[in-house]
Parts: sequence; C-alpha cells; structure tokens
Amino acid sequence: DTGVSQDPRHKITKRGQNVTFRCDPISEHNRLYWYRQTLGQGPEFLTYFQNEAQLEKSRLLSDRFSAERPKGSFSTLEIQRTEQGDSAMYLCASSLMGGTRQEQETQYFGPGTRLLVL
Amino acid sequence: EDQVTQSPEALRLQEGESSSLNCSYTVSGLRGLFWYRQDPGKGPEFLFTLYSAGEEKEKERLKATLTKKESFLHITAPKPEDSATYLCAVESGTYKYIFGTGTRLKVLA
Repeated sequence: DTGVSQDPRHKITKRGQNVTFRCDPISEHNRLYWYRQTLGQGPEFLTYFQNEAQLEKSRLLSDRFSAERPKGSFSTLEIQRTEQGDSAMYLCASSLMGGTRQEQETQYFGPGTRLLVL
Repeated sequence: EDQVTQSPEALRLQEGESSSLNCSYTVSGLRGLFWYRQDPGKGPEFLFTLYSAGEEKEKERLKATLTKKESFLHITAPKPEDSATYLCAVESGTYKYIFGTGTRLKVLA
C-alpha cells in the first residue's frame, strides 16, 4: 500500500488557462475527497465521491471546477479559465467504506498539488 | 453552522517543555474528531480519531483528549522533530471534514 498519490505535485499556469489534477486513492478505498488549502488556513472541503458517484459538492466549487471519478478508481479535478484566486494546495484524501468505524471515518491524505496562477 | 477553532495560532517551545494545543468545536451531532500533523508543503498525516467525551488516545509524546466542547493535544517533552502544524477536524455525519486553521508548533533545541 503506497498511500494516496497526486500528480502533478506543482503546477504553474497563466490566468485563463485550464488545468487538470489527478488523484490515485489507496487501492481498496471507495470514498475519495478533494479539499483546497490556502496559506495559513486549514483544508476546505470541495467534493466527495463514493465509488464513481459524486455525492456532495461545496458551494466553493464554482462552475469552473469539475471533478470526475470514472470507474470508481482515480479521480481528476479540472479548473477551467483559472484565476489568481485559484492559487492554493489541492489535496485529495480517501477512506474505506465498510470495515471498522475508524476505518470508515478516517481520511488519508495525499501530498497535494500546489497550483500557482500568474 | 459547524465550526472549529484552534488555539494558539502559533507556539514556540523549548525542547522538553510540555504544553497543550486546544481545539474547540460547535457541531450538530459530532461523529468524530480528528487530529492531523502537517509538515510544510506536504499533506496532512493522520494522528488520532476521538469519538466520545472522556476518550483519550496516545502515541509516543502525543496524547489527545475529548470533552463535549473541545479537544486537547498534549505534547510531553517535545523534540525538534515534533515541529509542524497540527490540524483538528470534525465530522458530523456527511463524511466531509471541517478543519480548524491549525496550530504552528516550533520546538527549539
């Protein structure tokens, strides 16, 4: 088990460009979450998937953001027409559906993708 | 609205100087309270889960406790390698975490 992985680790883009991030969860984990973290703040929830179904989206997730999880495995987060305010660390986490209570409710985070919009 | 407040925002300790970090919360129906450690430029690393008032968990120099309104992370005889940001989060049944802003801990040798 190699943990949650994210790619790329860093992304620099110009305002108005589109970017896509990938997250590979821990292999047996059914739930996958995206969070955004800005400097000096805690992570903020964006969206979550149970298998391939997107079950909740935060109002932080504007129509420029879209997330997918085809086949219930890896997930992608796309930001269209990036703005400078999108600069942040984008974190992915996963958890297990089933198992003990702690296994179900504990989220394991990846290393994050740091986005800088110029 | 669910809310988590952590204090202090920053803490500097001498090596060996024990202290406590505070996480106070207001949430409708707490299902779990979680402590994470985050090093600069990295993702949060899971430390503890607490479910009910009176519960305690320990790991090396760290001990987490929970009451009905707050949680404490006690650090006993810290070492420089304990320097990090410590994040507290709550979950109220929707599987999404609400995080505090964290406590930045610096332990001086």
